[in-house]
Amino acid sequence: GQQLNQSPQSMFIQEGEDVSMNCTSSSIFNTWLWYKQDPGEGPVLLIALYKAGELTSNGRLTAQFGITRKDSFLNISASIPSDVGIYFCAGYYNAGNNRKLIWGLGTSLAVNP
Amino acid sequence: EPEVTQTPSHQVTQMGQEVILRCVPISNHLYFYWYRQILGQKVEFLVSFYNNEISEKSEIFDDQFSVERPDGSNFTLKIRSTKLEDSAMYFCASSSQGYGANVLTFGAGSRLTVL
Repeated sequence: GQQLNQSPQSMFIQEGEDVSMNCTSSSIFNTWLWYKQDPGEGPVLLIALYKAGELTSNGRLTAQFGITRKDSFLNISASIPSDVGIYFCAGYYNAGNNRKLIWGLGTSLAVNP
Repeated sequence: EPEVTQTPSHQVTQMGQEVILRCVPISNHLYFYWYRQILGQKVEFLVSFYNNEISEKSEIFDDQFSVERPDGSNFTLKIRSTKLEDSAMYFCASSSQGYGANVLTFGAGSRLTVL
């Protein structure tokens, strides 16, 4: 089946540092979603991207829909302790007449105050 | 802000027992989903439900699993005879129609522990 390669798998950074993570695939996607999951909670949508090249911000978070439609990145600027959690990318691609959603394996972020 | 609510938050059961996990999706949403997340692993799709029928299911969703929308508000996942490997967090999600159908809103999850 289709796969999303999300990297890095984990990050340990100092408070105040910027963070970058990305998802890539060999398939073409028509929507990218970035979610954050706090420990013991369900994923919460951070940013949704719908067009190739789209660059969208949500506070200190910025995500882009890659121009090739095969990748997306999420940046977090000036990290703070509450940024700790697991970040998942998810993308929709067309499979025949159906639209399918697949998920990356997640990037675990730890922030040292 | 509208939210998806799930009950119970945690259930412990003996292997072979039936379990029903309940979800109340956002009221104007039309698409409903169940996902599973084994501890420390990725979010895995189980099933999607629209117009009172299953629209898609994964290979994980075998005959032990069933879903139901018994009334206008609840969406349930039943595991008929639980196995040890069913221990996981189960997340319900919903989405609206049209353009908003791309964005899933998740509940806080139900943790199932099978002993």
